[in-house]
Amino acid sequence: QVQLQESGPGLVKPSDTLSLTCAVSGYYISSSNWWGWIRQPPGKGLEWIGYIYYTGSSNYNPSLQRRVTMSVDTSKNQFSLKLSSVTAVDTAVYYCARISNAGVLVDLWGQGTLVTVSS
Amino acid sequence: EIAMTQSPDTLSVSPGERATLSCRASQSLSSNLAWYQQKSGQAPRLLIYGVSIRATGISARFSGSGSGTEFTLTISSLQSADVAVYYCQQYNNWPGTFGQGTKVEIK
Repeated sequence: QVQLQESGPGLVKPSDTLSLTCAVSGYYISSSNWWGWIRQPPGKGLEWIGYIYYTGSSNYNPSLQRRVTMSVDTSKNQFSLKLSSVTAVDTAVYYCARISNAGVLVDLWGQGTLVTVSS
Repeated sequence: EIAMTQSPDTLSVSPGERATLSCRASQSLSSNLAWYQQKSGQAPRLLIYGVSIRATGISARFSGSGSGTEFTLTISSLQSADVAVYYCQQYNNWPGTFGQGTKVEIK
């Protein structure tokens, strides 16, 4: 059974960097899939952050591109997200995801982790 | 960026009745349209992609249709387990964008 599990601090201070990791189990991250991050502010809709291939190739949402860095660690079968200079508007549930081979859509989601930006 | 607009915002349907959800794109999507279901407190789940292809394990009660800029998700016989927010997502252009969601409830 394939599972994705996010981990990282639930509270980040304004202007700091948000760092999350997604551990993948039951599936090799170096298989023919891209891996992504989506976020959802409390009570609101969904927003793509970006996605990455196991080789390190990536594509970020232009609205966040200046602040986003994604990476992959194939030895640990996990991938990561860093979002710098966070403010309160970055407070959201962050989901990691496996991207379908049919296109940039999600065929498997992590359970999500709430990150609150507050001093 | 392609804007996605869903209607209605909330849909109340009696058990066993049909639910019809709409999604409109600001430009043509070809067949690059997906639907997700998100139950309260859970992550979304993929229902439909390629406008009308059901994802693995999805009930045949869920069907998708449409083309160009107008798309529909139909739940043929609503059950209590279908209470959720439903999102459409275009993946024709990057960044993929989601509609604001339609909340489906039992009347």
